[in-house]
Amino acid sequence: EAGVAQSPRYKIIEKRQSVAFWCNPISGHATLYWYQQILGQGPKLLIQFQNNGVVDDSQLPKDRFSAERLKGVDSTLKIQPAKLEDSAVYLCASSLVVWELFFGEGSRLTVL
Amino acid sequence: GQQLNQSPQSMFIQEGEDVSMNCTSSSIFNTWLWYKQDPGEGPVLLIALYKAGELTSNGRLTAQFGITRKDSFLNISASIPSDVGIYFCAGPPASNTGKLIFGQGTTLQVKP
Repeated sequence: EAGVAQSPRYKIIEKRQSVAFWCNPISGHATLYWYQQILGQGPKLLIQFQNNGVVDDSQLPKDRFSAERLKGVDSTLKIQPAKLEDSAVYLCASSLVVWELFFGEGSRLTVL
Repeated sequence: GQQLNQSPQSMFIQEGEDVSMNCTSSSIFNTWLWYKQDPGEGPVLLIALYKAGELTSNGRLTAQFGITRKDSFLNISASIPSDVGIYFCAGPPASNTGKLIFGQGTTLQVKP
């Protein structure tokens, strides 16, 4: 069974530029999550989708971050404009059973 | 807000030793999860606990759901070099069962 796919693995941009991350969850997993993991910290939930509807986006900085889940499968997370403090690993996860999350390898963002 | 506090923050042990780590919160949790993260990878689910007092094993790993529902423990017996990584506890607080939050992690290093 294929795991959660994410791209790109690494991205370096300058502040105020934009960036987009893509995630393809495990087939059949209705719930998709985007987490932000800053170095030395645990993952922090940004947004949670159930199929293509948003369940929780209370910690998503909506002035600069946006996310969508097209047709309830793939998802993209966009940051525009990026700030220095956005440097982190962006983890996508999906689940079939509640709370049993399967994570992708993550997309590491460096903002200069 | 709800927080999960993991202890110790880091451990450096000799191969073959047993390891104990814990996770505490001021809030009640209905589910406790333990994840392991290898460098450059996303977290991988090790053990899920769904009932207070529950003791669950996965190979050399054993985790317990604390009776107070405010803590959980993870033990690793006879550590080996591949146990190196960051161990995260996670759970949905009973007051907000829609969101999975993570602790800050316990970093384990094993000396061969």
